[in-house]
Amino acid sequence: GQNIDQPTEMTATEGAIVQINCTYQTSGFNGLFWYQQHAGEAPTFLSYNVLDGLEEKGRFSSFLSRSKGYSYLLLKELQMKDSASYLCAVLDSNYQLIWGAGTKLIIKP
Amino acid sequence: IAGITQAPTSQILAAGRRMTLRCTQDMRHNAMYWYRQDLGLGLRLIHYSNTAGTTGKGEVPDGYSVSRANTDDFPLTLASAVPSQTSVYFCASSERTGGTDTQYFGPGTRLTVL
Repeated sequence: GQNIDQPTEMTATEGAIVQINCTYQTSGFNGLFWYQQHAGEAPTFLSYNVLDGLEEKGRFSSFLSRSKGYSYLLLKELQMKDSASYLCAVLDSNYQLIWGAGTKLIIKP
Repeated sequence: IAGITQAPTSQILAAGRRMTLRCTQDMRHNAMYWYRQDLGLGLRLIHYSNTAGTTGKGEVPDGYSVSRANTDDFPLTLASAVPSQTSVYFCASSERTGGTDTQYFGPGTRLTVL
């Protein structure tokens, strides 16, 4: 079966750095997405990786290793507004998005 | 403002009633999707449409139907609602051109079936 694993919840301090991991086992791979979802709101796109390596976008970076079935989202200089759930999703061989359950990130002052 | 709209924002429904959730996008995206999101679970695909006039079943299609008469609209119908269909429903769309194919989400409909 297809499976996306990510931690249920993480806590970090304002101004610090946090890394959210995602491991996947899917039928085929056509890219990995990270979305941010604030409580009560819709998911919004953060990043897309299809090749191995690190993609940097401001305070957020996303890393992919296809051989290990592994990705992480790195958030730097954490701000209170970064408190949200972070969803990992893989585009499988049928171009369907398979979603993880999400990681709830709690930022403390 | 370009994007996706959903209606209603929330609804309480008696079991056995019929309900249609509406979704409209103005981005001229080819593909549209319906997901449900339940606590502790990832987004689960109900139905999708790769282009106007075609639809397909996702992971959890039972009890739901969709239609795609034109590019902009993708309504989701619950023929006879049951309490297990209590959830938050998100509509999404993507260009579906074979590239990144990023999905963009509507604000969601919170549905409670009693």
